Amino acid sequence: AQSVTQLGSHVSVSEGALVLLRCNYSSSVPPYLFWYVQYPNQGLQLLLKYTSAATLVKGINGFEAEFKKSETSFHLTKPSAHMSDAAEYFCAVSDQAGTALIFGKGTTLSVSS
Amino acid sequence: DAMVIQNPRYQVTQFGKPVTLSCSQTLNHNVMYWYQQKSSQAPKLLFHYYDKDFNNEADTPDNFQSRRPNTSFCFLDIRSPGLGDAAMYLCATSRDRGRPHEQYFGPGTRLTVT
Repeated sequence: AQSVTQLGSHVSVSEGALVLLRCNYSSSVPPYLFWYVQYPNQGLQLLLKYTSAATLVKGINGFEAEFKKSETSFHLTKPSAHMSDAAEYFCAVSDQAGTALIFGKGTTLSVSS
Repeated sequence: DAMVIQNPRYQVTQFGKPVTLSCSQTLNHNVMYWYQQKSSQAPKLLFHYYDKDFNNEADTPDNFQSRRPNTSFCFLDIRSPGLGDAAMYLCATSRDRGRPHEQYFGPGTRLTVT
């Protein structure tokens, strides 16, 4: 069965600092992995996705993630945080049938000036 | 712009009073999903339609039903809302079923049960 674990329910960084949000996955098949962002009272917006092509995936808003099979990880990074990055971030893995997205519990990112 | 639209954005209903949430899409996608997201939790899939084929998740309560009258619209019906059904309800679409089709989400409807 597929599952996702996001380490750290809350991450706080200063504006301009590196953002690192951690995601580890478990999958019985080659995984398809996604990062979504959710702003307060809004739906989920896709940041980036891994679909077995390049292991370093670039997304929107300066975010990127690296797929590491040996570590079963798909951590999200951004070199320099901006105040507008403050939001909830969800890592997700596609289920085996490709029907459902199985989400992690989310990480709230706070950015201070 | 092609998009997923949910109406209303905020819905208040009374305990036990049936309520319907609406989702429409201009993406012409084959698959439409309904997720429930309770406060500070991850979204959880309730069911999905693949074209006209309805697929219920095993642990979705019978109190939740869905209709898809055409490609563009999908409805979530809660027959007798309880206090525990208060949540954000997210509609999503994908072009097709199967991996790795990504899902596009609407803005959500926040349901309050009084």
